[in-house]
Amino acid sequence: QKEVEQDPGPLSVPEGAIVSLNCTYSNSAFQYFMWYRQYSRKGPELLMYTYSSGNKEDGRFTAQVDKSSKYISLFIRDSQPSDSATYLCAMTNAGKSTFGDGTTLTVKP
Amino acid sequence: GAVVSQHPSRVICKSGTSVKIECRSLDFQATTMFWYRQFPKQSLMLMATSNEGSKATYEQGVEKDKFLINHASLTLSTLTVTSAHPEDSSFYICSARADSQGKNIQYFGAGTRLSVL
Repeated sequence: QKEVEQDPGPLSVPEGAIVSLNCTYSNSAFQYFMWYRQYSRKGPELLMYTYSSGNKEDGRFTAQVDKSSKYISLFIRDSQPSDSATYLCAMTNAGKSTFGDGTTLTVKP
Repeated sequence: GAVVSQHPSRVICKSGTSVKIECRSLDFQATTMFWYRQFPKQSLMLMATSNEGSKATYEQGVEKDKFLINHASLTLSTLTVTSAHPEDSSFYICSARADSQGKNIQYFGAGTRLSVL
């Protein structure tokens, strides 16, 4: 079983929808939790990172961490076609990062 | 923000030649950098961990003599694909771990698309 599980999708939503992307993990030692966005043929871009349980908001994006359930989420409000990309979750313990396989999102106009 | 520059973004070469890819952290120091390979519509595959001033650590199944890594400074790591063959064609991505952020956050380059003819 993988340390980090992420639903690969694909996920297709209409423009303006609220998107929920999720990852579960098994290693309770993970301390930092990141979300990356990767457009086709580009390197992953760091969107947000959090250290503790709770919510962190940045514009239309909200990252949520529930350490008791070992579950993290990324919410995208008012989704736009430009949000169409693959989203990767990542978690770090003692400097070592473990990545999810990514969820491919398509936002249709 | 933390920026990682990867060069070149695209390279086409003949079979048997060697190709060097550079990865630079522009505004932060990175003792550790990582090299990944990614096939179309697949996840990142870690190839090796590059440490400044020491030998790289390669993942199982990755040929160290094929993929030479040099990390000569705190801001530069290079990956050389030696005697490239068509099966080496892929998307190569580097990342740098920021020393100043407790070494917990990786920042990625834009990737290099290698095509071997």
